[in-house]
Amino acid sequence: GESVGLHLPTLSVQEGDNSIINCAYSNSASDYFIWYKQESGKGPQFIIDIRSNMDKRQGQRVTVLLNKTVKHLSLQIAATQPGDSAVYFCAEILFSGGYNKLIFGAGTRLAVHP
Amino acid sequence: DVKVTQSSRYLVKRTGEKVFLECVQDMDHENMFWYRQDPGLGLRLIYFSYDVKMKEKGDIPEGYSVSREKKERFSLILESASTNQTSMYLCASSPRGRLGTEAFFGQGTRLTVV
Repeated sequence: GESVGLHLPTLSVQEGDNSIINCAYSNSASDYFIWYKQESGKGPQFIIDIRSNMDKRQGQRVTVLLNKTVKHLSLQIAATQPGDSAVYFCAEILFSGGYNKLIFGAGTRLAVHP
Repeated sequence: DVKVTQSSRYLVKRTGEKVFLECVQDMDHENMFWYRQDPGLGLRLIYFSYDVKMKEKGDIPEGYSVSREKKERFSLILESASTNQTSMYLCASSPRGRLGTEAFFGQGTRLTVV
């Protein structure tokens, strides 16, 4: 079946520490993955993406790792800041019938403490 | 600046009412999506459209319908609102294409059915 899930519903970190948010997916046909950040009262915002032919991709303070062997995705945030507090979603994209279908996980709440 | 705009941030409707949720995007995207977001369940796809007058059922289409008469506008219709449709509704759009695409989200409409 198609599903994307997250290991931890809530993650609490100290400001300045690194954060790691994990995600498991079940559809081996997915060829594109995205991490979204959703702040309170707002819609999800794109953070970073990775194609299935890559293992790692880095952005500004964020790194996404993809392990296709175990169908695992992670988002690493370096030097976590209070502004990083939000719910983070991973999503996989299935290309079928000429369109992209986004499948989301349940989300992980990241709480950054001073 | 790209934008997906949902007509209302908050709505309160009575059981049995017909409810229209409107979404407009200014990016000339082919694909548009309606999701509902509930705590612990993440974002679930209700309907999507990959072209004008085209629509496809998502994972939870029951009790909903959609309309896409113009490329920039995608409407979600609750034919007869029920209390279990109380939720946050998110609209998104994305360009057509296999890879390198991402969905841009609106700010969400929080619907309460009483």
